[in-house]
Amino acid sequence: EPEVTQTPSHQVTQMGQEVILRCVPISNHLYFYWYRQILGQKVEFLVSFYNNEISEKSEIFDDQFSVERPDGSNFTLKIRSTKLEDSAMYFCASSPEAYSNEQFFGPGTRLTVL
Amino acid sequence: GENVEQHPSTLSVQEGDSAVIKCTYSDSASNYFPWYKQELGKGPQLIIDIRSNVGEKKDQRIAVTLNKTAKHFSLHITETQPEDSAVYFCAAPPSGTSYGKLTFGQGTILTVHP
Repeated sequence: EPEVTQTPSHQVTQMGQEVILRCVPISNHLYFYWYRQILGQKVEFLVSFYNNEISEKSEIFDDQFSVERPDGSNFTLKIRSTKLEDSAMYFCASSPEAYSNEQFFGPGTRLTVL
Repeated sequence: GENVEQHPSTLSVQEGDSAVIKCTYSDSASNYFPWYKQELGKGPQLIIDIRSNVGEKKDQRIAVTLNKTAKHFSLHITETQPEDSAVYFCAAPPSGTSYGKLTFGQGTILTVHP
């Protein structure tokens, strides 16, 4: 069964450093998302991406964040200058169509900022 | 924006018993209500969903009910098994969201004791 994959599973970085989290969505899906989950808290929406551009973003998704689909398979989240409070699980999700809202999540990347 | 409240935060049952988790939402125009199961170290997995044009949906031991008037929906798990132990999240998309953004509840830690 097709699934969303994410790499790395765990990323440790120093405050102020840039990180890139990578995702490979399900191949025939058109809508892509990033969510984050701070330890013990709810899953929070960051950004949605369709047709090679951001379609919606939350207030969390400020100028230090960016997303990109550099080729036909990868979808990346870049955090330019990490802060301690960016430590969280980051989940990528994809959906075949927006209106169905059926989103399939990857296993996540645990980001630890020291 | 959408506000989703989920109760209880923890639920402990004996194997074979039923478990019920409830969510309320604020946006009366929301039309899609998924439930996700998150096992330790994994991403959320869609287990069942319901759309606003139906009141109940079943899939084997799992069912979801929706009360649009009261703006709440519930997850019912019958004949619980130890492997049902996980964190369960409800979610809803805010109205006016065209690209599938989901707002999640706080999560329920379900423990099924053998």
